[in-house]
Amino acid sequence: ETGVTQSPTHLIKTRGQQVTLRCSSQSGHNTVSWYQQALGQGPQFIFQYYREEENGRGNFPPRFSGLQFPNYSSELNVNALELDDSALYLCASSFQGAGNTIYFGEGSWLTVV
Amino acid sequence: DQQVKQNSPSLSVQEGRISILNCDYTNSMFDYFLWYKKYPAEGPTFLISISSIKDKNEDGRFTVFLNKSAKHLSLHIVPSQPGDSAVYFCAAFLNFGNEKLTFGTGTRLTIIP
Repeated sequence: ETGVTQSPTHLIKTRGQQVTLRCSSQSGHNTVSWYQQALGQGPQFIFQYYREEENGRGNFPPRFSGLQFPNYSSELNVNALELDDSALYLCASSFQGAGNTIYFGEGSWLTVV
Repeated sequence: DQQVKQNSPSLSVQEGRISILNCDYTNSMFDYFLWYKKYPAEGPTFLISISSIKDKNEDGRFTVFLNKSAKHLSLHIVPSQPGDSAVYFCAAFLNFGNEKLTFGTGTRLTIIP
């Protein structure tokens, strides 16, 4: 039990739609990162939020966006969904500067049809 | 550019024996390395980590070895147990304060009773 919770756990969307995924970070953690894991691949870094500001971004297009709230919870938004966006989306929470405390949630499975 | 590589997609080991999972990396600037274990339909679970200034870290049945000159690390599990059957990911980040993980593609470990 990591204390990181994500919702929803599974969802199906149609190509072109928009989706919002949510993450509650572990108590005491001030940093949230999002990763995309396609089938058979390792997780790929999407972006990180620290103190409500984006703090680094991976190789993902601008239709992937996010927010972090004052309580350090976070949202990942994906617009104009494409079939290749079908993946497991993982949220990781940590305390900035304490890298050995990076904990993941169970993930949100997104299927785009 | 795959900066972290796990060249063995799968590994089978007899229960009670040693499991050795390998990971290679190309970016010599990586400062910290972590191993995660992942069961199907769950998020990655942190196992053990090692700083780039060390060459070994041990935690119970798990030991991680780092060879910086070879840009290679390995995870040893002794003795292997059936519950160790999972996918193992090697990950790394550049420095504390910049804990954005770069993952390998994973190795599926199967422990044979």
